[in-house]
Amino acid sequence: GAVVSQHPSWVICKSGTSVKIECRSLDFQATTMFWYRQFPKQSLMLMATSNEGSKATYEQGVEKDKFLINHASLTLSTLTVTSAHPEDSSFYICSASEPLQETQYFGPGTRLLVL
Amino acid sequence: QKEVEQNSGPLSVPEGAIASLNCTYSDRGSQSFFWYRQYSGKSPELIMFIYSNGDKEDGRFTAQLNKASQYVSLLIRDSQPSDSATYLCAVTNSGYALNFGKGTSLLVTP
Repeated sequence: GAVVSQHPSWVICKSGTSVKIECRSLDFQATTMFWYRQFPKQSLMLMATSNEGSKATYEQGVEKDKFLINHASLTLSTLTVTSAHPEDSSFYICSASEPLQETQYFGPGTRLLVL
Repeated sequence: QKEVEQNSGPLSVPEGAIASLNCTYSDRGSQSFFWYRQYSGKSPELIMFIYSNGDKEDGRFTAQLNKASQYVSLLIRDSQPSDSATYLCAVTNSGYALNFGKGTSLLVTP
């Protein structure tokens, strides 16, 4: 199956700093990537849909100025959590799908802890 | 609001038994249905997908879809302790964004 990587897998930062998370499709070109957030013992919550070469589409309640998404190439999307606060601590997971395909393949996730 | 409902569980089955996981959805326009498995602390991994009414088998897993009843299920035969995880049902209406249920926790006891 298709492989998606994320980097870093773990990040601890101080409140107020910005954190960038990378999501890469390793063996396929992903025209669409998705960013999810998952709090402990809760379901996946879609944050935004990222399309290569265009602006991301954010879900209701997700601040686009706080969670900056860039999908500059067919294999890379980045999520930047700006001015992170402790309440942003969560498990961030990206997924990617091949062109015209609905199946999403998930990256291993990034655990963010904001102190 | 398009809902995907799953019993949160935990569903406990003995090793070697059949585990039956169920999911209902509210959007009649839903086209594609996915089952993902998520181990604690890990990201979801795709088990299988189904598009058409009926059964689809892949090894020990069988997905069943009934669009008239808006119901999709996953059967796991010969359950193993390593199958213990949370199983997520996901549905899409050809818009590529998956709508996830909250997941069912499965515990397979030796």
